[in-house]
Amino acid sequence: DGGITQSPKYLFRKEGQNVTLSCEQNLNHDAMYWYRQDPGQGLRLIYYSQIVNDFQKGDIAEGYSVSREKKESFPLTVTSAQKNPTAFYLCASSMGMGTDTQYFGPGTRLTVL
Amino acid sequence: DAKTTQPNSMESNEEEPVHLPCNHSTISGTDYIHWYRQLPSQGPEYVIHGLTSNVNNRMASLAIAEDRKSSTLILHRATLRDAAVYYCILANSGGSNYKLTFGKGTLLTVNP
Repeated sequence: DGGITQSPKYLFRKEGQNVTLSCEQNLNHDAMYWYRQDPGQGLRLIYYSQIVNDFQKGDIAEGYSVSREKKESFPLTVTSAQKNPTAFYLCASSMGMGTDTQYFGPGTRLTVL
Repeated sequence: DAKTTQPNSMESNEEEPVHLPCNHSTISGTDYIHWYRQLPSQGPEYVIHGLTSNVNNRMASLAIAEDRKSSTLILHRATLRDAAVYYCILANSGGSNYKLTFGKGTLLTVNP
């Protein structure tokens, strides 16, 4: 089955630790995205990548880092510099950017203790 | 960025039609209107999109005003599984709307 996977579903970390969230897609999509969602809020774009080996900051990139070494994978690292990391993190992919449909993963709920 | 305005919440009864409105008065000629929905604790899923003409698919219908400053997502017979947050988004291949911007959306409650 084609799709987009994120792991783990729930993640707990101590304050001050970096943590990496996984995102994999087998849809052969060029574009991938990371969003953050806080309770009762919409999605905010953290980083996006239009093509392998290239990525751009979204609206709230501070305290986060990404890499795009393979077309299928777009991991997100939440660093200790991120002041309020507890949130629901969503990864998405699309054929291209703009009007192409985005397909979302199931999300990772990160709690920093 | 072109913005959309949606009601915070709406309520419907099961098996009745639901009309979810969206205003986008600053839409540009090349902006597409996309609708996504998000079930609790899940990622959003695509529902439908259109440019100028009304659109139908197996999930819903999209009615676009002639001046394109508003649109309505129509669920013909709401089910309990349609309870979700519905997002109306403008998308463009260029300009500032090539990245989707998800606002707070409309929380749809479906009563049995």
